[in-house]
Amino acid sequence: SAVISQKPSRDICQRGTSLTIQCQVDSQVTMMFWYRQQPGQSLTLIATANQGSEATYESGFVIDKFPISRPNLTFSTLTVSNMSPEDSSIYLCSVGQGGTDTQYFGPGTRLTVL
Amino acid sequence: EDQVTQSPEALRLQEGESSSLNCSYTVSGLRGLFWYRQDPGKGPEFLFTLYSAGEEKEKERLKATLTKKESFLHITAPKPEDSATYLCAVRLTGNQFYFGTGTSLTVIP
Repeated sequence: SAVISQKPSRDICQRGTSLTIQCQVDSQVTMMFWYRQQPGQSLTLIATANQGSEATYESGFVIDKFPISRPNLTFSTLTVSNMSPEDSSIYLCSVGQGGTDTQYFGPGTRLTVL
Repeated sequence: EDQVTQSPEALRLQEGESSSLNCSYTVSGLRGLFWYRQDPGKGPEFLFTLYSAGEEKEKERLKATLTKKESFLHITAPKPEDSATYLCAVRLTGNQFYFGTGTSLTVIP
């Protein structure tokens, strides 16, 4: 399976600021996904990051709040904009392996907004 | 409405005490069911994929099974290192991906 890294691993941010999270994969992948895992809850898909086109957002998530870039087949970023304490969460990127339905996850970024 | 429900929410077992975790789903167009293990502060680690009723997969002390309405993760003679949160997820034919809320397993030495 692909090796996935995320930066930063954790951060504490002030209300109203923005944070960009990076996701790097050690091989080229077609599908990259961004999830949020709020305290005590399960994973919720934010968007699918498409290479060469705009990301596809799930219901309840908008591009102005969570802009995503996917400049190539091994890298993506998620920005959490104009943060509020409700954005405190773990943010995870995942990749789909070619030819299978399985998703593999990065280690996550733990974000705390004060 | 598509739903994935896991039970129990938490489970405490003595080392060596076998048990099962449940994942029930009500979805339209199941494409696959997935089990993950998640340790505190880490991303989910892939365990199994199941595609059709009657299918079984095994890995060490874990065995996953699938019926038309639910999946079980059987843990045989668990060890303390099996302590983690176990998540199930379903992928639908429209490519939607839904996770359950997980079962937190604690194995006591």
